[in-house]
Amino acid sequence: KQEVTQIPAALSVPEGENLVLNCSFTDSAIYNLQWFRQDPGKGLTSLLLIQSSQREQTSGRLNASLDKSSGRSTLYIAASQPGDSATYLCAVRGDNYGQNFVFGPGTRLSVLP
Amino acid sequence: EAQVTQNPRYLITVTGKKLTVTCSQNMNHEYMSWYRQDPGLGLRQIYYSMNVEVTDKGDVPEGYKVSRKEKRNFPLILESPSPNQTSLYFCASSPGQSRSYNEQFFGPGTRLTVL
Repeated sequence: KQEVTQIPAALSVPEGENLVLNCSFTDSAIYNLQWFRQDPGKGLTSLLLIQSSQREQTSGRLNASLDKSSGRSTLYIAASQPGDSATYLCAVRGDNYGQNFVFGPGTRLSVLP
Repeated sequence: EAQVTQNPRYLITVTGKKLTVTCSQNMNHEYMSWYRQDPGLGLRQIYYSMNVEVTDKGDVPEGYKVSRKEKRNFPLILESPSPNQTSLYFCASSPGQSRSYNEQFFGPGTRLTVL
């Protein structure tokens, strides 16, 4: 059964720092991996989607990488801002398209002004 | 605007009183799914549907029912709610398997309290 973990569970950094969030999964047979952010009490906003055949995706200050063979993905946030404060979740989809999604527990990020 | 909508957004009910949470998407997506989010347990999938009339259990299906009679709608039914179903519920959708880019889009969430 697929298990997804995220390290660290919480992170507090001063504004302007570059940071890396980590996501690990136990079964490398995935269809894709998606990163989300969630603000307190709100829904999930999609940040980046990486297909299993891809190594990385970039959107603005965000860069996500995928190493399927080692079961790892990282989300890199450049020049962090207070508005980046949120919980970041990664989710993997099994390589059988019909399989369900499995989410990690999230990393709670605080960017201090 | 492309979106996933859920209703109601907030619901307080009592044990045993049947309820339905509706979910609708306007993106012609084939795949739809329901999740619950609980502190310390994260997001867990309840049911999913790959297309009309095709549904399957996720990780925590007990106590829930779903139906997919139309492509755009995927209601979540609690026939006899219990307090342990108090949670934050999310509906999500994504394009079909034939599409190369299968990003999952989420609704705003429904906060359910069962007394």
